[in-house]
Amino acid sequence: DAGVIQSPRHEVTEMGQEVTLRCKPISGHNSLFWYRQTMMRGLELLIYFNNNVPIDDSGMPEDRFSAKMPNASFSTLKIQPSEPRDSAVYFCASSSGGTNYNEQFFGPGTRLTVL
Amino acid sequence: KNEVEQSPQNLTAQEGEFITINCSYSVGISALHWLQQHPGGGIVSLFMLSSGKKKHGRLIATINIQEKHSSLHITASHPRDSAVYICAVSGGGADGLTFGKGTHLIIQP
Repeated sequence: DAGVIQSPRHEVTEMGQEVTLRCKPISGHNSLFWYRQTMMRGLELLIYFNNNVPIDDSGMPEDRFSAKMPNASFSTLKIQPSEPRDSAVYFCASSSGGTNYNEQFFGPGTRLTVL
Repeated sequence: KNEVEQSPQNLTAQEGEFITINCSYSVGISALHWLQQHPGGGIVSLFMLSSGKKKHGRLIATINIQEKHSSLHITASHPRDSAVYICAVSGGGADGLTFGKGTHLIIQP
């Protein structure tokens, strides 16, 4: 299996622009997680889906952030409009779920820079 | 919300030394995860445990549920073990992870 796939790997954009990050989970995994990593705050959960349904989005910073999972093999995280403080590495992870023992497999991350 | 504390924040040791990284959390959990992040940025899951002890090669992870504490040990440390080690906890079901700040480990030859 190719593992969790994220695109793009790097994104540089200007303040006010829309940014869309993409994730393809491991085939057969039914839970998908979006995390953000910054120097100041470390790793934080933004949102997670179970069977394509958003379960907990309490970590989404504000209304500028939205996430969708239209099917089991694809998810997007959108920031509109982007701001310099959104600069971070965004990780997507997936797990097989279904039990309390959910090892998570991380994608390589998308490094976002908002100028 | 669970608070996850790791110690030490930074650790520099000589090759061959026995390494211990500690993690404590504030609220009961279903599982504790140890993750490794190399300078390139990728995150790899090392262990997931809910009780007792697990061993993989030179790495050993233990957890004490009553004391809400876990340790990660590295025996015969090697420069390639240099990385950030992150403790994270999850609740029941398919919960997202709550992370510690990480321990930056450097093993000098």
